[in-house]
Amino acid sequence: KAGVTQTPRYLIKTRGQQVTLSCSPISGHRSVSWYQQTPGQGLQFLFEYFSETQRNKGNFPGRFSGRQFSNSRSEMNVSTLELGDSALYLCASSYHRGTSGRASSYNEQFFGPGTRLTVL
Amino acid sequence: AQSVTQLGSHVSVSEGALVLLRCNYSSSVPPYLFWYVQYPNQGLQLLLKYTSAATLVKGINGFEAEFKKSETSFHLTKPSAHMSDAAEYFCAVRSDDKIIFGKGTRLHILP
Repeated sequence: KAGVTQTPRYLIKTRGQQVTLSCSPISGHRSVSWYQQTPGQGLQFLFEYFSETQRNKGNFPGRFSGRQFSNSRSEMNVSTLELGDSALYLCASSYHRGTSGRASSYNEQFFGPGTRLTVL
Repeated sequence: AQSVTQLGSHVSVSEGALVLLRCNYSSSVPPYLFWYVQYPNQGLQLLLKYTSAATLVKGINGFEAEFKKSETSFHLTKPSAHMSDAAEYFCAVRSDDKIIFGKGTRLHILP
């Protein structure tokens, strides 16, 4: 079974531009979460999507947004890029169980290799 | 909200020596705890997880962790370090349907 894929792997942008990152989850996984990893702040949760709906959101400004498509693929968008947005952006997928849509505590998240974004 | 604290951003051990990476959690309810490993230029890989079934949890690559409620700890150990264990290790806890990660501990293996 193919793992989580993220495209592109590397990206260089300049301040003020916007960027879109893509994540394809493992086949059958319906939940996709996004994380930002920086040397100073570590791994920080951005948001989680399940069944095309945002289920959870971290403490990031509105410049960070995302969406999920009917095939569970997800994109995240960052508008008006700032230097501090330079980071490794990780996507993780998991298989949700239960009709409530709540994450099962037993669910394992499978991570992609990440997209390294550099803002100049 | 729950959180985890990893003691030591860098740990160095000799090849063949015991590996001990420390993690303490803050939680008022039974936590769900994880250890992840990240190799250079890669994403995170789950080493093991605690889900209250057993206090001693065995994971992949010879790692294990013991949940100690009295100490609010979930330290990661491996009896004998290999050069291939050099990586960054993250302790994490599930909180409000999110996974909260510690700051990470970079493990260096000395020949």
